[in-house]
Amino acid sequence: DAGVIQSPRHEVTEMGQEVTLRCKLISGHNSLFWYRQTMMRGLELLIYFNNNVPIDDSGMPEDRFSAKMPNASFSTLKIQPSEPRDSAVYFCASSLGDRRTLGNTIYFGEGSWLTVV
Amino acid sequence: AQKITQTQPGMFVQEKEAVTLDCTYDTSDPSYGLFWYKQPSSGEMIFLIYQGSYDQQNATEGRYSLNFQKARKSANLVISASQLGDSAMYFCAMRAVDGGATNKLIFGTGTLLAVQP
Repeated sequence: DAGVIQSPRHEVTEMGQEVTLRCKLISGHNSLFWYRQTMMRGLELLIYFNNNVPIDDSGMPEDRFSAKMPNASFSTLKIQPSEPRDSAVYFCASSLGDRRTLGNTIYFGEGSWLTVV
Repeated sequence: AQKITQTQPGMFVQEKEAVTLDCTYDTSDPSYGLFWYKQPSSGEMIFLIYQGSYDQQNATEGRYSLNFQKARKSANLVISASQLGDSAMYFCAMRAVDGGATNKLIFGTGTLLAVQP
């Protein structure tokens, strides 16, 4: 079975440009998470969807960041305009269940390595 | 507030020996789940093991076991018979209902394990 698929794997962009990161969930999963990993702040949850509905977006840094789930198996994370401090690894992860499901494993994609120069 | 603490930034272990990676947690929720993930140098996040707060026995998965001490709020990972391929960053994570709001996965800062031949 295919795991969580993220694209692009690596992106280098100039400050001010729009960046779109993409994620395909594991088939049958209904929870979607976007995480960001940096040396300074570790792994941070940006946003969490359940059944296509954003449940918790308290981790989204600011209005420059937006995330969508246009359908049950796909999500995008957009940064516009991008800034050098957005440079990080962005992980998408998925699981099965709802906000009361604690034991279902969250599976991560391989990450999108973003560098903003 | 929920918190995961990993106090060991780095650990060394000889090949074939066992090693314990420490993790303590804090939550006021009676229901929670504890996870360990491995992040090798290639960057992906690999699920290792899960322990539920109501599980009576410590979780085991192959060479991985979780030493769960609920009263001490600790969930240490034990890796038996270490292999060179175990060299990686290891993250402890917790998932709680957080008062019903969400069940996001919160990560510790990680422990970098180096297995020496």
